[in-house]
Amino acid sequence: EPEVTQTPSHQVTQMGQEVILRCVPISNHLYFYWYRQILGQKVEFLVSFYNNEISEKSEIFDDQFSVERPDGSNFTLKIRSTKLEDSAMYFCASSGRDGENTDTQYFGPGTRLTVL
Amino acid sequence: AQSVTQLGSHVSVSEGALVLLRCNYSSSVPPYLFWYVQYPNQGLQLLLKYTSAATLVKGINGFEAEFKKSETSFHLTKPSAHMSDAAEYFCAVSEASGGYNKLIFGAGTRLAVHP
Repeated sequence: EPEVTQTPSHQVTQMGQEVILRCVPISNHLYFYWYRQILGQKVEFLVSFYNNEISEKSEIFDDQFSVERPDGSNFTLKIRSTKLEDSAMYFCASSGRDGENTDTQYFGPGTRLTVL
Repeated sequence: AQSVTQLGSHVSVSEGALVLLRCNYSSSVPPYLFWYVQYPNQGLQLLLKYTSAATLVKGINGFEAEFKKSETSFHLTKPSAHMSDAAEYFCAVSEASGGYNKLIFGAGTRLAVHP
C-alpha cells in the first residue's frame, strides 16, 4: 500500500541553524500538508499546499518557515533560523489522488526535530 | 472556528473490556470527523472517518464511531479491547468541502490495556 515517507526520522540542530525536513507524499496525490506536535501537546496544522502554492497557513507558519515541491515528488519544509520552541515532531500528510475524494489525509511517520 | 475536545487524556481498560474514547466537536459548518491512532514511534494512521454518509462508521481493527449531531459527538468504541490496542488516539475535524481541508485535532487520549 502506498505510504508517505519522511526523512530524517530525527534531526538535531543548533539554535539559529537552518533545517530542511523532507517528505515524499503518496504518488499522484494533489494536496500536501505539514503539521507539528510539540511534546505533550496537540497536533497542530502548519500549512497546506496545492498546485504549487500555499493554500492556507496557520499563525505558527511565519516568515521563518517555507515549503517547496522542488521536483514533483518531494515536499519540503524549511525552517530558516531554528528556535528552541521549534523542537517538535513534524508530520507530513497528503490527500486527494486524481478522481478520488480529497477528505482523507495520509500521514508520514514524522521527523523529530530537536533544537539545542 | 472548529475545535475538538477529547475527554480523558488517559484511559485504562482490561483486556476484553469495552473501549470508549470520547470526542466532542464544534463546527459552524457541516463537519468531516476522523479518528487517527498513533502507535509508539509511528505516524498517524486513519482508523475511521465520517463524511456525511452513514452516522455509524466502522473502521479498522474492530473500532467504530457514531456521529451524533444533536450531541456534537463522535465517540470511538470497540466491544473488546486487545493488548495491541494500546496507543494514542486522536479525534480530528475538518470542513466538509472539496479540496484541501486542514485537520483540527483534539489533544489525544492514551489508551492502556492491561491483562
